[in-house]
This record gives sequence, structure tokens and C-alpha cells, in this order.
Amino acid sequence: GQQVMQIPQYQHVQEGEDFTTYCNSSTTLSNIQWYKQRPGGHPVFLIQLVKSGEVKKQKRLTFQFGEAKKNSSLHITATQTTDVGTYFCAGHFGNEKLTFGTGTRLTIIP
Amino acid sequence: NAGVMQNPRHLVRRRGQEARLRCSPMKGHSHVYWYRQLPEEGLKFMVYLQKENIIDESGMPKERFSAEFPKEGPSILRIQQVVRGDSAAYFCASSRISGGGGDTQYFGPGTRLTVL
Repeated sequence: GQQVMQIPQYQHVQEGEDFTTYCNSSTTLSNIQWYKQRPGGHPVFLIQLVKSGEVKKQKRLTFQFGEAKKNSSLHITATQTTDVGTYFCAGHFGNEKLTFGTGTRLTIIP
Repeated sequence: NAGVMQNPRHLVRRRGQEARLRCSPMKGHSHVYWYRQLPEEGLKFMVYLQKENIIDESGMPKERFSAEFPKEGPSILRIQQVVRGDSAAYFCASSRISGGGGDTQYFGPGTRLTVL
């Protein structure tokens, strides 16, 4: 089946540093969604991107959808301890169900 | 608007017993998805259901696992004759629509299954 790859698998950053996670697909996506899962918690929807080249911001978080709609990124500026967790991208291939990426686990070093 | 409800939150079973996990979707949602998450790992899709129908069970093990979403009541994920390898967090998610239209999935708190 279709797959969505995410890198890196783990990322450790000093508090205050920036963080980026990347999501890639070999096939064009209809749209891409991002979720955050805190340690011990459940995934929570963050945002959806639909248009080619779309960029959306949520405070310190910037989400991008590639021009070819095959990749996406999530960038966090000046990380804080509350950013700790695993970030998942998830995409639709045509009208199929959502396919989740493998996730990037972010840990913050105080 | 109550979120996705899952119960129990924690379930302990001995090898060979049955585990029943329940999921009540958000109000107005008719699509339910079950995922399994092993410790330190990602979400693994198991099954997608609509009311009284299994739409996609491609991620479900062929034996011992079954799922249903009856016309009335919660969706149930059933694991028969559990083994230690079944120990994981099982998340249910629901959505209002499905497919490429952009079905935001709302997750329940999960059921942590421990098999002794």
C-alpha cells in the first residue's frame, strides 16, 4: 500500500533551539494533516494543508505543503518544554483513508 | 460536545483470555478507526468501520482479532486468546466524513492492554 515516510525518527534539541520534521510520499497526496501526541497521551489534530505550496502558522509552528504535494514539513521555532511529544503527519492518497507517517519523537533538553 | 470515549482505559488480561475494547465516537461521527501502538512506536492502522459495515480491515491480524460497529452502541475491538505480544495501546478515532475530502480524525484516550 501507499506509505508516508517521516524523518527524523528522533530529535533531541536544547530548549530554545528550532526543530523540523519532514514527511515524504512517493505519490501525490490529496492533503496532509499533522497530529501531536504527548507522552502517555493520544494523538491530537493540529492542522490540515490542502493546496500545493500552502503554508500555515500556529504561533511558533509553521507547516508547509510542497509544490508537488508529495512532501510536508513542520517547523517549531524556539522550542519549549511543552513541545515535547511525537509529531505525526498523515496524508490522503486520493479518496483513500488517512495514512499516518512513522512519527518524529521530540525531546527537549532544558 | 463529548469527545471520543474509550473504555476501559487500562485492561489487564492473562494469556488465553479475551479482551474487549469499546469505543464511542464523537456525536455526529459515523466513521470509526482502530489503531495499535506498541511502546515507542508509531500508529499502526488496524480497521476502519462505518455503522454495521467493515470498510477496510487490511491492518487487522487474520486470527483472534475482530471488530464491529453495530447500529446501536459503541464499536468493539475484540481480541480472543490474548498473547503477550498483544500488549499495546489501542486507540480509536472517529471522523465525520472519510476519504480524500479531509477527514480529521479525533482520537480517544486509548486502552492500554497488558497481557500477563
